[in-house]
Amino acid sequence: DQQVKQNSPSLSVQEGRISILNCDYTNSMFDYFLWYKKYPAEGPTFLISISSIKDKNEDGRFTVFLNKSAKHLSLHIVPSQPGDSAVYFCAASVEKLTGANNLFFGTGTRLTVIP
Amino acid sequence: KAGVTQTPRYLIKTRGQQVTLSCSPISGHRSVSWYQQTPGQGLQFLFEYFSETQRNKGNFPGRFSGRQFSNSRSEMNVSTLELGDSALYLCASGNTGRVETQYFGPGTRLLVL
Repeated sequence: DQQVKQNSPSLSVQEGRISILNCDYTNSMFDYFLWYKKYPAEGPTFLISISSIKDKNEDGRFTVFLNKSAKHLSLHIVPSQPGDSAVYFCAASVEKLTGANNLFFGTGTRLTVIP
Repeated sequence: KAGVTQTPRYLIKTRGQQVTLSCSPISGHRSVSWYQQTPGQGLQFLFEYFSETQRNKGNFPGRFSGRQFSNSRSEMNVSTLELGDSALYLCASGNTGRVETQYFGPGTRLLVL
């Protein structure tokens, strides 16, 4: 059973506009959420994270929003750039419960930024 | 600083065979985690090793096993391969216990015929 879901397999956005990638989760035990970016032939790279005690975290052009009541998080990229074209994975962790580095990933959203 | 390396990068096997994949973590990192990536399931956690001990295990059958050596290099073995084992296998190394400080390798693409 997929505990982290990304229902949009792909998204296309014009350069300079906002990209919004969405993620839903089912396990209320998740207490840490992350976004990863993956280029072809490379492993995922960490982008931004948010703890369950916060509802927003910002890092440059990237902002992650967490809505715990809806079990939903989103990644906003403003402004979008062609170099942002990649597959984005949402991930969640039960870090405090297990103390171990295991992550539950979504299926990914392929973002294409059109110049 | 060299990144995480995985060998081989590509592999073709037939059903019923076994396969061993290797992961060399970043120097100084003691934790290695393995993930399976398939189009329909995304990345799924297989197991994590820390200082040669399996610290956590995902929900995969016993055909999937791993180990870690004293130099932190890790191997993953899949026995009696099935068509559904075709996937990208990623390993990630870390040291601080914070998930965001895991660094992923490029993966091994396994095709089972």
